[in-house]
Amino acid sequence: KAGVTQTPRYLIKTRGQQVTLSCSPISGHRSVSWYQQTPGQGLQFLFEYFSETQRNKGNFPGRFSGRQFSNSRSEMNVSTLELGDSALYLCASSLETGGWLSYEQYFGPGTRLTVT
Amino acid sequence: AQSVTQPDIHITVSEGASLELRCNYSYGATPYLFWYVQSPGQGLQLLLKYFSGDTLVQGIKGFEAEFKRSQSSFNLRKPSVHWSDAAEYFCAVAPPSGGSYIPTFGRGTSLIVHP
Repeated sequence: KAGVTQTPRYLIKTRGQQVTLSCSPISGHRSVSWYQQTPGQGLQFLFEYFSETQRNKGNFPGRFSGRQFSNSRSEMNVSTLELGDSALYLCASSLETGGWLSYEQYFGPGTRLTVT
Repeated sequence: AQSVTQPDIHITVSEGASLELRCNYSYGATPYLFWYVQSPGQGLQLLLKYFSGDTLVQGIKGFEAEFKRSQSSFNLRKPSVHWSDAAEYFCAVAPPSGGSYIPTFGRGTSLIVHP
């Protein structure tokens, strides 16, 4: 069965622009979680969507938003990009909510966003 | 606010040697505790977790961790390291109440395994 896919894999944007990242979970998985990984701040939990509803949210400004569609695919949007938003954005899928608590959470390869 | 410290940025061990990765946390109560591994080019994988009970926790891939309340520590151990264990290891804590258990991650320890 196909794994978690993220598109695009690499992205270069300019400060002030907005960006949308996409994540397609493993078939049958209803939860998608997003993480940001940077050299400066390390690894941080962004938010989780389950059955089209945001279930959990980390400590990020409102510029970071997301949504989930009826097929469980999820998008993450960052508006008014800042240099500090340059990061690897990881998404993960799991059957149930709270995937980070589970041994059965599967990650995508990530989207490398560079903001110039 | 909760925080977690991994004092060692890099650890180098020889294949077959034992391993201990350190993790200390700061929190008013005993939080939920986790160890994750991130292999090169891969996402995170949960190795083990501690919620309550026995302070020695067994995880996947032969890893174990011991919770020591008096030292606010949750160190990860493996008796014999394999070359495939080379990866980044993250300790994480989550509040023991509220229902979400959103993790706060340490900065990670990079494990290098020499043949």
